[in-house]
Amino acid sequence: QQQVKQSPQSLIVQKGGISIINCAYENTAFDYFPWYQQFPGKGPALLIAIRPDVSEKKEGRFTISFNKSAKQFSLHIMDSQPGDSATYFCAARNQGGSEKLVFGKGTKLTVNP
Amino acid sequence: DGGITQSPKYLFRKEGQNVTLSCEQNLNHDAMYWYRQDPGQGLRLIYYSQIVNDFQKGDIAEGYSVSREKKESFPLTVTSAQKNPTAFYLCASSGAANYGYTFGSGTRLTVV
Repeated sequence: QQQVKQSPQSLIVQKGGISIINCAYENTAFDYFPWYQQFPGKGPALLIAIRPDVSEKKEGRFTISFNKSAKQFSLHIMDSQPGDSATYFCAARNQGGSEKLVFGKGTKLTVNP
Repeated sequence: DGGITQSPKYLFRKEGQNVTLSCEQNLNHDAMYWYRQDPGQGLRLIYYSQIVNDFQKGDIAEGYSVSREKKESFPLTVTSAQKNPTAFYLCASSGAANYGYTFGSGTRLTVV
C-alpha cells in the first residue's frame, strides 16, 4: 500500500511534442505529490508538486493532473525540448506518518531534436 | 546559498575497506536521508534520520551505517559487509512540510 507505481519506464518523444508520465498509488493518506527531475550524474531536483485538494497545477510547460478518485496523477510536459531529456520521478508522502517520501521507479525521457 | 553538500564527488574503495561519504546541509532541515541509485534504477532508501541522535533503517540498510551527531551532518559509512557497493549515493534533507526533499549532487562510489 506504500507503493507508487510509475509508467512508462522510458519514453521517447519528438521536439515540440507532449510527454506524459503517469503514477498511481493506493494509500489514501498520501497528501503531497511532487515530481523530481534528474539529469545524469546529478541529484534529483524538485520540479513541481501538488496537493489532493486541486485537480491540476501548471508551471510553465509542466502540468500535474491529479485524479483523487482514481488515485492517479500525471506529469505533462508541453512543447517538449531536448533539454527536458532526463529521468523523472513521481513521489508521494503521508503527512500523518514519518513524512518520508515514497518514490516511483522513474521514467527516462528522451526528446529527439 | 543554502543547500546540501555531498563529498567527495567520486570515491574509490578497495575490497574489504570501509569508506565514509559526507553529507552536510545548511538548510536547518530536521530530517536527512541516504539513497542508493544503481544504473537505470530508482531510488532505494538506505537510512534516514528525523532528529539528531536518532536514525532508522530504510529498505537496504545491510552493510551500511550512519550517525547523526549534529543537525547539519549525516555521514554514511559503507562497510566491508556491503558486497556490492558500486553505486551512486544521494543524500537528501527535508524541513517544513510543503517543501519535499532537497537532494545533494551525489557521490559515485566504485570498488576497485
